[in-house]
Amino acid sequence: DAGVIQSPRHEVTEMGQEVTLRCKPISGHNSLFWYRQTMMRGLELLIYFNNNVPIDDSGMPEDRFSAKMPNASFSTLKIQPSEPRDSAVYFCASSYTGGTRVFEQYFGPGTRLTVT
Amino acid sequence: TQLLEQSPQFLSIQEGENLTVYCNSSSVFSSLQWYRQEPGEGPVLLVTVVTGGEVKKLKRLTFQFGDARKDSSLHITAAQPGDTGLYLCAGNYNQGGKLIFGQGTELSVKP
Repeated sequence: DAGVIQSPRHEVTEMGQEVTLRCKPISGHNSLFWYRQTMMRGLELLIYFNNNVPIDDSGMPEDRFSAKMPNASFSTLKIQPSEPRDSAVYFCASSYTGGTRVFEQYFGPGTRLTVT
Repeated sequence: TQLLEQSPQFLSIQEGENLTVYCNSSSVFSSLQWYRQEPGEGPVLLVTVVTGGEVKKLKRLTFQFGDARKDSSLHITAAQPGDTGLYLCAGNYNQGGKLIFGQGTELSVKP
């Protein structure tokens, strides 16, 4: 299996620009998670989807952030407009949830975002 | 709000030493996982523990789940430089697939 795929791996943009991060989960997984990691705050859950439906978006910082999952094999996280404080590593993870109390998440390699 | 307290936050040791990392909560987990993250990469799942009192071994790493399923520990025997990385514990509180992550333990093993 190819694992979770994220693109781009690195993104440098100027304040005010729109940024779109992309994720392809592991085939057969039905849950997808977007995280943000910084030195100060560690790993924070932004939003997660189950069967393509957003279940919990309480971690999304503000209206500048939006996420979509149009189908089981693709998700996007968009920041518009971007700000320097959005600089972080953004991870996508996927898992299979159904009929089990074991929820193992598999992470992508991350997108390092720098907003200048 | 469920919290996972991980300690220590930083650990710097010499090759060959033993160490233990702790993960504690006031809530009961339905399952708990340990991840290891290297610089520039995503966290990689090491182990999942589900049953209170459960012990799992992965080469020189021993993972233990507390009897009450509120805490866990990771013990590394004879640490090696290749063990260097960020170790994260993550618990599931019966909220579907959502995991709560600890702050992480940054381990540095010097040759």
